[in-house]
Amino acid sequence: QVQLVQSGAEVKKPGASVKVSCKASGYTFTSYYMHWVRQAPGQGLEWMGIINPSSGSAYYARKFQGRVTMTRDTSTSTVYMGLSSLRSEDTAIYYCARDLAAVGDYWGQGTLVTVSS
Amino acid sequence: DIQMTQSPSSLSASVGDRVTITCRASEGIRNDLGWYQQKPGKAPKRLIYAASSLQSGVPSRFSGSGSGTEFTLTISSLQPEDFATYYCLQHNTYPQTFGQGTKLEIK
Repeated sequence: QVQLVQSGAEVKKPGASVKVSCKASGYTFTSYYMHWVRQAPGQGLEWMGIINPSSGSAYYARKFQGRVTMTRDTSTSTVYMGLSSLRSEDTAIYYCARDLAAVGDYWGQGTLVTVSS
Repeated sequence: DIQMTQSPSSLSASVGDRVTITCRASEGIRNDLGWYQQKPGKAPKRLIYAASSLQSGVPSRFSGSGSGTEFTLTISSLQPEDFATYYCLQHNTYPQTFGQGTKLEIK
C-alpha cells in the first residue's frame, strides 16, 4: 500500500533553516510528482510547490521562491523540502502529497515546524 | 496566478440537510479541480477529483459538478461525521491554488 512517512516535528529559531523529509513506499517513486502543502495554525491550506522525482526539477510558488528548495533521493525514495530564513509566520504543519492531479489521494501525516525565539 | 474564491466561508447546518459549497476560478480551469475534507488534526482527504468524480471509498451523498470557472460540492444529506472544513484545489496551472475553505458547523 502507498505510504508517505514524514520526519518529526522541528523547533527552529528565526533566521534558521529546516529540512523536512517525506519517504515514499508502495509504488514506483519516480512515476508520480510530489507536492508540498502547508497549513498555519487555524488557517487554510497553502500550496508551496512540486517536484518531479524522476528528473529532480521543481516548481515553487512565487511566495516561497528564493527560500524553498525541494530535492529528492531516488535511492531511498525520499523527497525533501528545505525552507530557509525562517520567520514566525512559517510556523505551520507541512504536508507532502502525491500527485494531486492523479486519481489516488495520498498524503503524509504532516510535520509541525515551530519557529520561535 | 489563478484565484479560487470559495463560498461561503462558514455554514451552519443540521443533520439531514442538503448543503452546497461553491468555488469560482478567476480563469477557466476545465475540470481540473478537486474537493477536500479536513478534520482537526488530520491531513486533508479528497472527496471529488476531476470536478465530478467520486473518490474511491467516499459516500455517494457527496457529489461535485461544474467546469470552466464555476464548481460546486453538494452533500445531499448531512451526517454527523461530515462536520469539517472543506477546500477546493485547482491543479490546472502552476501555482496550484486552494480555495479559502468552508467550515461546516452543526446548527
